[in-house]
Formats: sequence, structure tokens, C-alpha cells
Amino acid sequence: KNQVEQSPQSLIILEGKNCTLQCNYTVSPFSNLRWYKQDTGRGPVSLTIMTFSENTKSNGRYTATLDADTKQSSLHITASQLSDSASYICVVTIVMEYGNKLVFGAGTILRVKS
Amino acid sequence: DAGITQSPRHKVTETGTPVTLRCHQTENHRYMYWYRQDPGHGLRLIHYSYGVKDTDKGEVSDGYSVSRSKTEDFLLTLESATSSQTSVYFCAISGPAGGRYNEQFFGPGTRLTVL
Repeated sequence: KNQVEQSPQSLIILEGKNCTLQCNYTVSPFSNLRWYKQDTGRGPVSLTIMTFSENTKSNGRYTATLDADTKQSSLHITASQLSDSASYICVVTIVMEYGNKLVFGAGTILRVKS
Repeated sequence: DAGITQSPRHKVTETGTPVTLRCHQTENHRYMYWYRQDPGHGLRLIHYSYGVKDTDKGEVSDGYSVSRSKTEDFLLTLESATSSQTSVYFCAISGPAGGRYNEQFFGPGTRLTVL
């Protein structure tokens, strides 16, 4: 069964601190893996994307890693800001004949406190 | 939100009433999707469309129907709303299948409450 599991479910950190979010997947066939950020009351927005041949990708203070052998990914946030408070969703893509199928994790809710 | 609008943004309705949610895009993308998002669950695909009048079921399609009469609009209908359909509904769009970084872009969501 295609699944994406994220940990922790929620996390509270102090502004300026770093944190790492985890994602394990069992999706096959694998096309790519994205991390989305979803602010409260908004739709998800893509942060990073990696194919199986890429093992790291950065977007400002966000760095994603991918280990295709162990089927694990992580999202590292450096020097957190209050605006980083959001849900972070790991999504694995399967390319189909018509469109693409996304398998979503349940998300990690991050709260950054001042 | 990548040229995607959803209407209404919020709706409260009663059990047994029909409800239609609208997704409108200005990107001329071929593929459109309807998802629902519930606490503790990842987004789950309800239905998707791969062209005008071409639609298919997702993993949670029971109780929902869709229609796409033109490229820019994708409608989701709950024929007889139930409390279990209380959720936040997201529309998404994407370009041609395949490609190295094919991406889905999401709308702002519609919060539906069925009493």
C-alpha cells in the first residue's frame, strides 16, 4: 500500500532555533518527493522537490534531503522565524498516464514561539 | 494561488441538501483535481479531470460527482450532503503529465460544514 508517514505530528520551537521534520514513504513507483508548506486557511505551496537521483535541495532556510534506498526524507529549517509556523506536508508523486497521483502525508504542525 | 479560485470559500448547509463547489483556473492547465483535507489525514483525492468532459474517480469518491464542461471550470457536487462530508475541500491544477518536476498547484480551499 502506498503510504507516507511523517513525524513528529506537531512541534513547538523557539524563534531562531533549528528543527528537522521526518518523512518515510512506501510509495512505488516513485517519481519525486515534495515538501509543501501550508499556512492556516490556505492551500499547500511547494517548498522543495527532489527526484530519486537528487539527495538534497535547498530553498532559502529550508533544506530537504532524500535517501531513496531507505525511502526517507527530512526537511531541515534553519534559524526559524515566526512566519515558519505552518503545517509541513511530505508528498510523493507517482506519474500516471493521465496526470499524476500524489500521496500525501498527514503533515507536521510546526509552531514557532517568540 | 497560481490563478486558481474556489467558491464559495465557506459554506454551512444541512444534511440531505445538494451542494456544489466551484473551482476556476486561469492557467489553461489540462488537469484538475478535487481533494478533501481532514484532521489527522493527508489530503485525499476525490475526483480528477484530464480534459473537458474527461473525469475519473479518486480514492474517496463515494457521495461525490464532478463535471467539467470547459477547461477553466471544475465542479464538485455533493448530491445529498452528510455530516461525514464536513471538511476542507481543495482544488488543484497541473500541466501535462510526466516531466521531471510536474507539479500540482492548489487553490485556497472551501470550508464546508454539514449540520
